[in-house]
Amino acid sequence: EPEVTQTPSHQVTQMGQEVILRCVPISNHLYFYWYRQILGQKVEFLVSFYNNEISEKSEIFDDQFSVERPDGSNFTLKIRSTKLEDSAMYFCASSEVDEQFFGPGTRLTVL
Amino acid sequence: GENVEQHPSTLSVQEGDSAVIKCTYSDSASNYFPWYKQELGKRPQLIIDIRSNVGEKKDQRIAVTLNKTAKHFSLHITETQPEDSAVYFCAAVPTGANNLFFGTGTRLTVIP
Repeated sequence: EPEVTQTPSHQVTQMGQEVILRCVPISNHLYFYWYRQILGQKVEFLVSFYNNEISEKSEIFDDQFSVERPDGSNFTLKIRSTKLEDSAMYFCASSEVDEQFFGPGTRLTVL
Repeated sequence: GENVEQHPSTLSVQEGDSAVIKCTYSDSASNYFPWYKQELGKRPQLIIDIRSNVGEKKDQRIAVTLNKTAKHFSLHITETQPEDSAVYFCAAVPTGANNLFFGTGTRLTVIP
């Protein structure tokens, strides 16, 4: 059964550094998403992407964040200048229509 | 935007008993309601979903009910087993949107 994959599984960075989180969505899916989950809290929506552009974004997704689909398979989330409060688990998800399937996550630790 | 409330935050049941988790939502235009199970350190996994045109859906030991008038939906797990222990999240998707609005989660513990 196809699954969403994410790399790396764990990223440690210094405050102010740029990070890029990578995702490979399920191949026939059209909608892509990023969510984050701060330890012990609920999953929060960041951004959705369809037809090579952002379709929706939350208040969390400010100018420090960007997304890109650089080729036919990868979907990336970039954080330009990381803050301590960006430490969280970041999940990528994809869907054909509305059933969203999540990747295993990238744990981002900002020191 | 949509606001999803979930109760209880923790739930302990004896193996074989039933478990019920309840969620309410605020946006009457929401039309898709999935439930996710998340084991410690793992990804959320879709276990069942319901759309606004039906009131109940069942898949083996798991069922979900939806009351659109009251804007609440519930997850029912029967004959619970220790492997059902996890955090369960409800979510809602408003019409015209794709993003999931999650509840705060319920930590279910099934005691053998």
